[in-house]
Amino acid sequence: DAGITQSPRYKITETGRQVTLMCHQTWSHSYMFWYRQDLGHGLRLIYYSAAADITDKGEVPDGYVVSRSKTENFPLTLESATRSQTSVYFCASSVVRFTGERYFGPGTRLTVT
Amino acid sequence: QKEVEQNSGPLSVPEGAIASLNCTYSDRGSQSFFWYRQYSGKSPELIMFIYSNGDKEDGRFTAQLNKASQYVSLLIRDSQPSDSATYLCAVRPGGSYIPTFGRGTSLIVHP
Repeated sequence: DAGITQSPRYKITETGRQVTLMCHQTWSHSYMFWYRQDLGHGLRLIYYSAAADITDKGEVPDGYVVSRSKTENFPLTLESATRSQTSVYFCASSVVRFTGERYFGPGTRLTVT
Repeated sequence: QKEVEQNSGPLSVPEGAIASLNCTYSDRGSQSFFWYRQYSGKSPELIMFIYSNGDKEDGRFTAQLNKASQYVSLLIRDSQPSDSATYLCAVRPGGSYIPTFGRGTSLIVHP
């Protein structure tokens, strides 16, 4: 099916471990985004990408790394997970600049113990 | 610090009524305004975006923007129980990809 998929959907990891969250879209949208959602903070942008090999920091990039070697994939890596990175992570995509993230993935619930 | 404020609710309205959701923002440089709907345990869905002062209508939804007063609102006409969700307001400065989201307003439409 066309759309945005995220994997894994649920992940429990230990403090200090490296973990990668995967995001794949089937539309070849140019723009892709990673958000985290926490109670009391709402959605916050971590990183975004305007095209393959073009990425930039969002509001809360510290502790995260992204890459985008192919248009359809936008993985997010937590280099050394901390408890404060326990959150729900959403990947999103859009075709047009500045018109909002029209398509969101189902989310990954990450728990860091 | 850029802030986007929403009443957390819950806002409870009867079926068929108009639900009015409000959002205020602090950054006068904001140029793009968005409303998302999020059902419990699901991902956000973009409902509407608005750039210019005034009203923008899409089906049962109307977004209203007043930049002078720094607020944006969402009206839902003929509210249905299926509209029960959390509504997120997001504001983006001109030329920036980085939005600021409000914490959302919970809407309950009761039969």
